[in-house]
Amino acid sequence: DTEVTQTPKHLVMGMTNKKSLKCEQHMGHRAMYWYKQKAKKPPELMFVYSYEKLSINESVPSRFSPECPNSSLLNLHLHALQPEDSALYLCASSQGTGQQGYEQFFGPGTRLTVL
Amino acid sequence: AQSVTQPDIHITVSEGASLELRCNYSYGATPYLFWYVQSPGQGLQLLLKYFSGDTLVQGIKGFEAEFKRSQSSFNLRKPSVHWSDAAEYFCAVGAPASGTYKYIFGTGTRLKVLA
Repeated sequence: DTEVTQTPKHLVMGMTNKKSLKCEQHMGHRAMYWYKQKAKKPPELMFVYSYEKLSINESVPSRFSPECPNSSLLNLHLHALQPEDSALYLCASSQGTGQQGYEQFFGPGTRLTVL
Repeated sequence: AQSVTQPDIHITVSEGASLELRCNYSYGATPYLFWYVQSPGQGLQLLLKYFSGDTLVQGIKGFEAEFKRSQSSFNLRKPSVHWSDAAEYFCAVGAPASGTYKYIFGTGTRLKVLA
């Protein structure tokens, strides 16, 4: 299985809602990533988990809260978002070590709309 | 500073014509280089990667790329473009960060294919 899955595919939420995005991989990868991508822009790194520990937080606002319950699963909890947070949220994974650790496998993304 | 530059924001080619997408990088150590393709609203799909060895790399969908250290370039080529190649293309360099790895992305090149 060389796939990264993300649910839901689409999400519409109000500014007072709490919701979560889910990402799963079964490739035995030990690093997992969250990206935010606005239209016509490259993905912007938000968080990196390595061996289930948060390694990188790219100064992301606290209304985004990542969680890595186990090595296969990555969540992104959303609370009190702003309309400017509307974007495509991408999850990726990599082996996490060695040369192959550089290569990331991306999921299809969750299209988030904040009203 | 580490950076990746894709000088062409948009490129338009006719179906059946050849294609070259440019990528220049600035990186102090040996670069690990990647090309990804993204269709609208989708995740990123890896086309090819360069770690070491042969500087001409073959990828999926008939794409190839050539690593030229002297020019700090990793240009993507295809001899004959198909209408289905219309998409956004991202070049990236992999870099170690905080005990794990992350990508430095270029700004992307949007390819349009004329029938």
